[in-house]
Amino acid sequence: GAGVSQSPSNKVTEKGKDVELRCDPISGHTALYWYRQRLGQGLEFLIYFQGNSAPDKSGLPSDRFSAERTGESVSTLTIQRTQQEDSAVYLCASSLGDNAGGLDTQYFGPGTRLTVL
Amino acid sequence: GEDVEQSLFLSVREGDSSVINCTYTDSSSTYLYWYKQEPGAGLQLLTYIFSNMDMKQDQRLTVLLNKKDKHLSLRIADTQTGDSAIYFCADHTGGGNKLTFGTGTQLKVEL
Repeated sequence: GAGVSQSPSNKVTEKGKDVELRCDPISGHTALYWYRQRLGQGLEFLIYFQGNSAPDKSGLPSDRFSAERTGESVSTLTIQRTQQEDSAVYLCASSLGDNAGGLDTQYFGPGTRLTVL
Repeated sequence: GEDVEQSLFLSVREGDSSVINCTYTDSSSTYLYWYKQEPGAGLQLLTYIFSNMDMKQDQRLTVLLNKKDKHLSLRIADTQTGDSAIYFCADHTGGGNKLTFGTGTQLKVEL
């Protein structure tokens, strides 16, 4: 596709359940990012993948959060034992990354709105 | 760590100019971006400016950068109702690929 896609667009779950969110980056983009946007707040960085390098996990809020990426394609963000404070929009972005040679613009998907009851 | 701040709300009349302001703290910033988020949608890149520039104009959009004061602004000329959205500034420092976002400014355009 032409842009970053994410699925599902909406997810409602019960407290304590695990959820998986999916991101399909733009083809050819080696870098992939996950952000969280709580209601009325800015974006909070979670994790960043660049090619085959070890991911930058410095933004993950707890060990209940993890993410994987298959090569330079799809990524999944997993939240285990969800809590009500995990309710937010989870945004994925991709960029050319190390191939950018300077300006490395991030392009965002539409997000997944997660509601934990 | 890096801190990026914006005012939360701006209301303007249709046809007027809008000015959205942003301040940041990291003096090693390389690129600064403006993103637009419409209700229920992801972030759309509007424009960016490299840190060695003072101004960039793109149709109705003018970006001003005061590197000494670490102040960034976005001016939208002839603001239309379709410009109603949340506008985020974001800072890309040279040391990594993360963007640090401001809290967003909600722009409301009134008839």
